Amino acid sequence: GAGVSQSPSNKVTEKGKDVELRCDPISGHTALYWYRQSLGQGLEFLIYFQGNSAPDKSGLPSDRFSAERTGGSVSTLTIQRTQQEDSAVYLCASGKDTQYFGPGTRLTVL
Amino acid sequence: AQTVTQSQPEMSVQEAETVTLSCTYDTSESNYYLFWYKQPPSRQMILVIRQEAYKQQNATENRFSVNFQKAAKSFSLKISDSQLGDTAMYFCAFMLEGSNYKLTFGKGTLLTVNP
Repeated sequence: GAGVSQSPSNKVTEKGKDVELRCDPISGHTALYWYRQSLGQGLEFLIYFQGNSAPDKSGLPSDRFSAERTGGSVSTLTIQRTQQEDSAVYLCASGKDTQYFGPGTRLTVL
Repeated sequence: AQTVTQSQPEMSVQEAETVTLSCTYDTSESNYYLFWYKQPPSRQMILVIRQEAYKQQNATENRFSVNFQKAAKSFSLKISDSQLGDTAMYFCAFMLEGSNYKLTFGKGTLLTVNP
Protein backbone atom coordinates (compact mmCIF):
# COMPACT_ATOMS: atom_id res chain seq x y z
CA GLY A 1 0.00 0.00 0.00
CA ALA A 2 0.96 3.66 -0.13
CA GLY A 3 3.45 4.91 2.40
CA VAL A 4 3.67 8.26 4.15
CA SER A 5 3.85 11.17 1.74
CA GLN A 6 5.08 14.69 2.38
CA SER A 7 5.00 17.89 0.37
CA PRO A 8 6.78 19.88 -0.76
CA SER A 9 9.98 17.90 -1.09
CA ASN A 10 12.03 21.06 -0.83
CA LYS A 11 11.10 24.56 0.26
CA VAL A 12 13.22 27.68 0.08
CA THR A 13 11.89 30.74 1.83
CA GLU A 14 13.04 34.11 3.03
CA LYS A 15 13.52 34.93 6.67
CA GLY A 16 10.30 36.20 8.21
CA LYS A 17 7.94 34.39 5.85
CA ASP A 18 5.45 31.72 6.96
CA VAL A 19 5.63 28.17 5.60
CA GLU A 20 3.31 25.18 5.61
CA LEU A 21 4.49 21.60 5.37
CA ARG A 22 2.09 18.78 4.62
CA CYS A 23 2.01 15.14 5.68
CA ASP A 24 -0.33 12.41 4.43
CA PRO A 25 -0.04 9.35 6.70
CA ILE A 26 -0.55 5.69 5.90
CA SER A 27 -4.27 4.99 5.58
CA GLY A 28 -5.73 3.77 8.84
CA HIS A 29 -2.88 4.99 11.04
CA THR A 30 -4.31 7.02 13.90
CA ALA A 31 -0.93 8.12 15.29
CA LEU A 32 1.09 10.77 13.47
CA TYR A 33 4.41 12.36 14.45
CA TRP A 34 6.54 15.27 13.26
CA TYR A 35 10.31 15.23 13.78
CA ARG A 36 13.02 17.68 12.81
CA GLN A 37 16.46 16.66 11.58
CA SER A 38 19.18 19.28 11.70
CA LEU A 39 22.95 19.15 11.67
CA GLY A 40 23.33 20.64 15.10
CA GLN A 41 20.50 18.93 16.96
CA GLY A 42 20.16 15.59 15.19
CA LEU A 43 16.68 14.09 15.09
CA GLU A 44 14.20 15.58 17.54
CA PHE A 45 10.53 15.03 18.27
CA LEU A 46 8.20 17.96 17.62
CA ILE A 47 4.56 16.93 18.01
CA TYR A 48 2.33 13.84 18.26
CA PHE A 49 -1.28 13.33 17.21
CA GLN A 50 -3.36 10.36 18.32
CA GLY A 51 -6.86 10.12 16.89
CA ASN A 52 -9.12 12.86 18.24
CA SER A 53 -7.09 13.41 21.41
CA ALA A 54 -5.36 16.69 22.15
CA PRO A 55 -1.91 16.65 20.52
CA ASP A 56 1.29 16.34 22.50
CA LYS A 57 3.11 19.57 21.62
CA SER A 58 5.93 19.12 24.10
CA GLY A 59 8.65 19.09 21.44
CA LEU A 60 7.76 22.30 19.61
CA PRO A 61 10.75 24.64 19.96
CA SER A 62 8.83 27.92 20.03
CA ASP A 63 5.36 29.38 19.64
CA ARG A 64 6.14 30.11 16.00
CA PHE A 65 5.57 26.41 15.38
CA SER A 66 2.10 24.91 15.22
CA ALA A 67 0.46 21.88 13.67
CA GLU A 68 -2.98 20.59 13.01
CA ARG A 69 -4.50 17.39 11.80
CA THR A 70 -7.78 17.58 9.98
CA GLY A 71 -10.23 14.70 9.92
CA GLY A 72 -7.74 12.42 11.62
CA SER A 73 -5.70 12.14 8.45
CA VAL A 74 -3.62 14.85 6.77
CA SER A 75 -1.45 17.02 8.99
CA THR A 76 0.03 20.45 8.37
CA LEU A 77 3.03 21.86 10.22
CA THR A 78 3.16 25.65 10.10
CA ILE A 79 6.19 27.74 10.92
CA GLN A 80 5.51 31.47 11.26
CA ARG A 81 8.11 34.20 10.81
CA THR A 82 10.78 31.71 9.79
CA GLN A 83 14.33 32.12 11.08
CA GLN A 84 17.57 30.75 9.65
CA GLU A 85 17.81 28.27 12.52
CA ASP A 86 14.57 26.69 11.28
CA SER A 87 16.47 25.32 8.27
CA ALA A 88 16.27 21.55 8.58
CA VAL A 89 14.61 18.44 7.21
CA TYR A 90 11.12 17.97 8.63
CA LEU A 91 10.07 14.33 8.82
CA CYS A 92 6.59 12.97 9.33
CA ALA A 93 5.89 9.45 10.58
CA SER A 94 2.74 7.46 11.14
CA GLY A 95 2.09 4.33 13.17
CA LYS A 96 2.52 4.02 16.92
CA ASP A 97 4.76 1.30 18.31
CA THR A 98 6.29 1.01 14.86
CA GLN A 99 6.68 4.26 12.96
CA TYR A 100 7.03 4.60 9.21
CA PHE A 101 8.53 7.76 7.84
CA GLY A 102 7.84 9.94 4.86
CA PRO A 103 10.59 11.28 2.60
CA GLY A 104 10.78 14.57 4.45
CA THR A 105 10.68 18.23 3.48
CA ARG A 106 13.98 20.08 3.32
CA LEU A 107 13.38 23.65 4.48
CA THR A 108 15.96 26.31 3.70
CA VAL A 109 15.52 29.76 5.19
CA LEU A 110 17.62 32.43 3.48
CA ALA B 1 14.77 11.30 30.22
CA GLN B 2 16.01 8.61 27.92
CA THR B 3 19.26 8.96 25.99
CA VAL B 4 20.71 6.98 23.10
CA THR B 5 24.42 6.91 22.33
CA GLN B 6 26.06 5.77 19.12
CA SER B 7 29.80 5.95 19.70
CA GLN B 8 30.91 5.35 16.11
CA PRO B 9 30.30 8.42 13.91
CA GLU B 10 31.65 6.62 10.84
CA MET B 11 32.46 3.07 9.83
CA SER B 12 33.45 1.32 6.65
CA VAL B 13 33.33 -2.30 5.52
CA GLN B 14 34.23 -4.26 2.43
CA GLU B 15 31.46 -5.69 0.33
CA ALA B 16 30.39 -9.20 1.47
CA GLU B 17 31.94 -8.77 4.91
CA THR B 18 30.20 -8.40 8.28
CA VAL B 19 30.02 -5.21 10.31
CA THR B 20 28.59 -4.38 13.74
CA LEU B 21 27.22 -0.98 14.73
CA SER B 22 27.07 -0.11 18.42
CA CYS B 23 24.29 1.53 20.40
CA THR B 24 23.79 2.04 24.11
CA TYR B 25 20.85 3.66 25.84
CA ASP B 26 19.93 4.86 29.26
CA THR B 27 16.54 4.38 30.89
CA SER B 28 15.10 3.45 34.25
CA GLU B 29 11.99 1.98 32.64
CA SER B 30 11.32 -1.70 31.93
CA ASN B 31 8.95 -1.65 28.98
CA TYR B 32 10.24 -0.19 25.78
CA TYR B 33 11.11 -0.83 22.16
CA LEU B 34 14.36 -0.40 20.30
CA PHE B 35 14.83 0.23 16.61
CA TRP B 36 17.43 0.59 13.92
CA TYR B 37 16.58 2.90 11.04
CA LYS B 38 18.59 3.38 7.86
CA GLN B 39 18.74 6.70 6.01
CA PRO B 40 20.41 6.56 2.59
CA PRO B 41 21.29 9.74 0.65
CA SER B 42 17.70 9.79 -0.66
CA ARG B 43 16.76 10.97 2.87
CA GLN B 44 14.01 8.35 3.29
CA MET B 45 14.14 6.89 6.82
CA ILE B 46 13.70 3.13 6.48
CA LEU B 47 12.95 0.75 9.34
CA VAL B 48 15.59 -1.97 9.51
CA ILE B 49 14.72 -3.90 12.64
CA ARG B 50 12.61 -3.69 15.80
CA GLN B 51 13.12 -5.26 19.24
CA GLU B 52 10.67 -5.44 22.13
CA ALA B 53 12.45 -5.17 25.47
CA TYR B 54 10.47 -7.99 27.08
CA LYS B 55 11.63 -10.45 24.45
CA GLN B 56 14.93 -12.14 25.22
CA GLN B 57 15.31 -13.48 21.70
CA ASN B 58 17.30 -11.21 19.42
CA ALA B 59 15.40 -9.89 16.39
CA THR B 60 16.58 -10.80 12.89
CA GLU B 61 15.58 -9.58 9.44
CA ASN B 62 17.39 -11.36 6.64
CA ARG B 63 21.01 -10.11 6.74
CA PHE B 64 20.33 -7.84 9.72
CA SER B 65 20.37 -9.02 13.32
CA VAL B 66 20.72 -7.42 16.72
CA ASN B 67 22.52 -8.28 19.92
CA PHE B 68 20.20 -7.02 22.65
CA GLN B 69 21.74 -6.98 26.12
CA LYS B 70 19.06 -5.56 28.41
CA ALA B 71 21.12 -5.51 31.60
CA ALA B 72 23.97 -3.74 29.84
CA LYS B 73 21.52 -1.47 27.97
CA SER B 74 23.21 -2.32 24.71
CA PHE B 75 21.60 -2.83 21.30
CA SER B 76 24.07 -3.47 18.48
CA LEU B 77 23.23 -4.11 14.83
CA LYS B 78 25.07 -6.75 12.81
CA ILE B 79 24.97 -6.59 9.03
CA SER B 80 26.09 -9.77 7.31
CA ASP B 81 27.20 -10.08 3.68
CA SER B 82 27.34 -6.29 3.33
CA GLN B 83 26.10 -4.86 0.04
CA LEU B 84 26.79 -1.55 -1.66
CA GLY B 85 23.15 -0.62 -1.09
CA ASP B 86 23.72 -0.80 2.65
CA THR B 87 25.71 2.44 2.45
CA ALA B 88 23.69 4.86 4.59
CA MET B 89 23.39 6.63 7.91
CA TYR B 90 22.13 4.23 10.57
CA PHE B 91 20.17 5.52 13.57
CA CYS B 92 19.46 3.65 16.77
CA ALA B 93 16.21 4.72 18.44
CA PHE B 94 14.42 4.17 21.75
CA MET B 95 10.67 4.24 22.37
CA LEU B 96 9.08 4.12 25.81
CA GLU B 97 5.92 2.05 25.94
CA GLY B 98 2.76 3.61 27.35
CA SER B 99 3.68 7.26 26.90
CA ASN B 100 3.42 9.19 23.68
CA TYR B 101 5.57 6.57 21.93
CA LYS B 102 7.91 9.21 20.58
CA LEU B 103 11.26 8.04 19.24
CA THR B 104 14.50 9.22 20.81
CA PHE B 105 17.35 8.88 18.35
CA GLY B 106 21.09 8.54 18.59
CA LYS B 107 23.36 10.79 16.54
CA GLY B 108 23.82 8.13 13.87
CA THR B 109 26.63 6.10 12.32
CA LEU B 110 27.60 6.68 8.71
CA LEU B 111 28.33 3.29 7.17
CA THR B 112 30.17 3.05 3.87
CA VAL B 113 30.35 -0.26 2.04
CA ASN B 114 33.36 -0.39 -0.28
CA PRO B 115 33.50 -2.53 -3.43
